[in-house]
Amino acid sequence: NAGVIQTPRHKVTGKGQEATLWCEPISGHSAVFWYRQTIVQGLEFLTYFRNQAPIDDSGMPKERFSAQMPNQSHSTLKIQSTQPQDSAVYLCASEHWGGYEQYFGPGTRLTVL
Amino acid sequence: GDSVTQTEGLVTLTEGLPVMLNCTYQSTYSPFLFWYVQHLNEAPKLLLKSFTDNKRPEHQGFHATLHKSSSSFHLQKSSAQLSDSALYYCALSDRGTNTGKLTFGDGTVLTVKP
Repeated sequence: NAGVIQTPRHKVTGKGQEATLWCEPISGHSAVFWYRQTIVQGLEFLTYFRNQAPIDDSGMPKERFSAQMPNQSHSTLKIQSTQPQDSAVYLCASEHWGGYEQYFGPGTRLTVL
Repeated sequence: GDSVTQTEGLVTLTEGLPVMLNCTYQSTYSPFLFWYVQHLNEAPKLLLKSFTDNKRPEHQGFHATLHKSSSSFHLQKSSAQLSDSALYYCALSDRGTNTGKLTFGDGTVLTVKP
């Protein structure tokens, strides 16, 4: 079991560019969560999917952030027109629904210059 | 809405002394409480979870008791080890609304010195 896989581990973008972050959940886990971690804000929930369906995106900044889960083996988080305040570590987690334990990936460190 | 409060941002201890990290919460429905630990440059990992009032789960020497009467879930360990140095998050999941998202506290950095 490779755990939750996130790629890339580091991404540097210029202001205004697009960033796409990838997450591969643990095989068999039906729930996938995205969180953002910064020094100032700590760990914040962004969005989550269960059985590939979007369930709750209440933490997503509406204008430039979007997330998809086209199949059970991966999810993407896309940030359009990146801004310096988007710089953070983006963490993906998966859960076998009902197990009440989220397994986190290593994160993608996004730096917007 | 749900919220989690961790009052200590930074705790520094000498090895061998007891550890207590505070966590209180506010929840509308039926909260599940968690402690996650994050070592430097690693992903957060589940340390403890509790759904039941007054039960005391234990793992790796750590324990925490969910007290619904006081909305608390403090993390304790009898004797700190150097390897316990890490960032600790208390988190809440409100399964009463059938959402699995975690609401985290601000985190407590625990530093254990020799």
